[in-house]
Formats: sequence, C-alpha cells, structure tokens
Amino acid sequence: GAGVSQSPSNKVTEKGKDVELRCDPISGHTALYWYRQSLGQGLEFLIYFQGNSAPDKSGLPSDRFSAERTGGSVSTLTIQRTQQEDSAVYLCASSLGGLQETQYFGPGTRLLVL
Amino acid sequence: GDSVTQMEGPVTLSEEAFLTINCTYTATGYPPLFWYVQYPGEGLQLLLKATKADDKGSNKGFEATYRKETTSFHLEKGSVQVSDSAVYFCALSDHQGGANNLFFGTGTRLTVIP
Repeated sequence: GAGVSQSPSNKVTEKGKDVELRCDPISGHTALYWYRQSLGQGLEFLIYFQGNSAPDKSGLPSDRFSAERTGGSVSTLTIQRTQQEDSAVYLCASSLGGLQETQYFGPGTRLLVL
Repeated sequence: GDSVTQMEGPVTLSEEAFLTINCTYTATGYPPLFWYVQYPGEGLQLLLKATKADDKGSNKGFEATYRKETTSFHLEKGSVQVSDSAVYFCALSDHQGGANNLFFGTGTRLTVIP
C-alpha cells in the first residue's frame, strides 16, 4: 500500500483479555517501530525491528507485552492479560532502515481496556 | 538518557500571527532532531528535520534551527493559517544499538482562529 496501515483502528476489550494489534509497513521498509501514545506518558518508544529481529526491546513496559515480525513485513504487537493502564493509541512506523531515514507513521490503533 | 522538553500548550493564535513553539533537548552528542505534526483525525507526519548542529529544517513555511549552544530546536512560522491547527511534537533520534528510536516531547496543541 501507499502508507503504513494498522488494524484494528479501534479495540475495546475487557481487563484480563489478550489483544493483538497488527501493522503493515510500507513495502520495502526494513525497519519497523512500535510506539504508544497515552495521556499520562505522551509518546513513548516500545520496540524496534530490523528485518525480523528485534535488537531493541527496551521500551516494552512489562512482560505482558510482546511483538513479532514475520517475512520482514507484517508485525504483531500482543498484550496479554490487559490492564486499564494499557489503554492508549498504539502507533506503528516504518523506515528504509538507515540511521538518517525518516519514519512514516500509521494511523494507530486506539485500545480501550474496560 | 536522551530527552526532549517542549512548550506545553495549548496555544491559540489568530490567523497570520507569528508562531513559536519552544523545544530543548538533552542528549549525548548531537542527535538528529525532528518536528512531527498530527492533524485532527490523522497520523503523525514528519514536518521537518535537522540532522546536525546549525542545520535549519524547513517545510510549509515552518522553520527550526538546530542550536547546540542552547540545545534548542524551536519551531517558528511567520504567519499561521487555520489549516495549521494540529498537535506538534518535537523529537530526537536515539542511535544507540544501531536503532533509530524517536524520543518525543509531550506535544503542543495549536489552534488557529480566523
């Protein structure tokens, strides 16, 4: 596609349930990033992929959060046993992979944990 | 660690007014600096960037100069329009571990009234 796409656009879940968020990067972009935008924390980095590997997982807030990327393309962010503080907009970005490359952001998935 | 501090909003201006949104950074070395914009209902978009000290980034009438003496990257526009109403984020790029993670400020909401 022309840009980064994410699905679902909105997700409402009950506390304790697992959720999966999907990101389709721009074709040919080798680097993929997940960020979280929440009222209390602003925009924060979660995880970075170069190809299928994740050399930097330092931003994941707890072991309930995990992410994978397959085929150097689609990525899935999984949150297990969701908590109310997980409510946020989850943003995905992709880039060509060099250190100077611009990141292009998707529209985000708005997650609400009741 | 690296961080960005930007002027808190909201900011309300009349059309054709001069805009300044302050941004200062703390970092080891001189990382690339960015301004991203989020228009209502849309995803984050890169507005401009400066990859090294003394560089000036510009786009759509906006400018920001990378000033290492004051560790600042203030965003300016000489004459704002209603269509500039959005949330503006200052960010720096952390290149630790070969990644390109972005660290964002808290965002400044700008409303331009006719």
